[in-house]
Amino acid sequence: DAMVIQNPRYQVTQFGKPVTLSCSQTLNHNVMYWYQQKSSQAPKLLFHYYDKDFNNEADTPDNFQSRRPNTSFCFLDIRSPGLGDAAMYLCATSPTGLGGYTFGSGTRLTVV
Amino acid sequence: DQQVKQNSPSLSVQEGRISILNCDYTNSMFDYFLWYKKYPAEGPTFLISISSIKDKNEDGRFTVFLNKSAKHLSLHIVPSQPGDSAVYFCAASGDNAGNMLTFGGGTRLMVKP
Repeated sequence: DAMVIQNPRYQVTQFGKPVTLSCSQTLNHNVMYWYQQKSSQAPKLLFHYYDKDFNNEADTPDNFQSRRPNTSFCFLDIRSPGLGDAAMYLCATSPTGLGGYTFGSGTRLTVV
Repeated sequence: DQQVKQNSPSLSVQEGRISILNCDYTNSMFDYFLWYKKYPAEGPTFLISISSIKDKNEDGRFTVFLNKSAKHLSLHIVPSQPGDSAVYFCAASGDNAGNMLTFGGGTRLMVKP
């Protein structure tokens, strides 16, 4: 089945220790997104890739970076996680112009 | 500044009855609206959508109504089933294609047997 896969499902990292979350897709969608969702809040867009073009939201902290080495994979790097970065991180993809996201199951990040 | 708002954080409904989830938006440039359903520890899954050229879209037990003048949409689930218990997110897009979504905060629906 074509899908969006996020690894790991649960990630525990130490305060200030760099961490990388990964997302892969078999849908061959042009666009990939990273959202941050804190408890009882709306998912908040961090950035997205339109093919290789990277688009950063204005209020995304510099602590967050992303890489998309190819169509299938996208990574979220948090250089120095703080306690406030604990959240569910959702990866999503969409085909250009056709609408509708497909989400991964998310990675729940805990910072200790 | 929340452009998409779901003012009810939770809703409890008896099995077999109608569930009505509401969503308001402020950006008049939004022209495509979607509802997503999210179970715990899973990513959101697409449920139903509506384009701004329509005022109603129906898919089985799910119907979405759009009132553009009021900048309001609602999701009706009839009849509600216990398996419908989940968090429902309203989302809006300004490119008529469902890309670059802005999400509401979600409404937790509990359907009691």
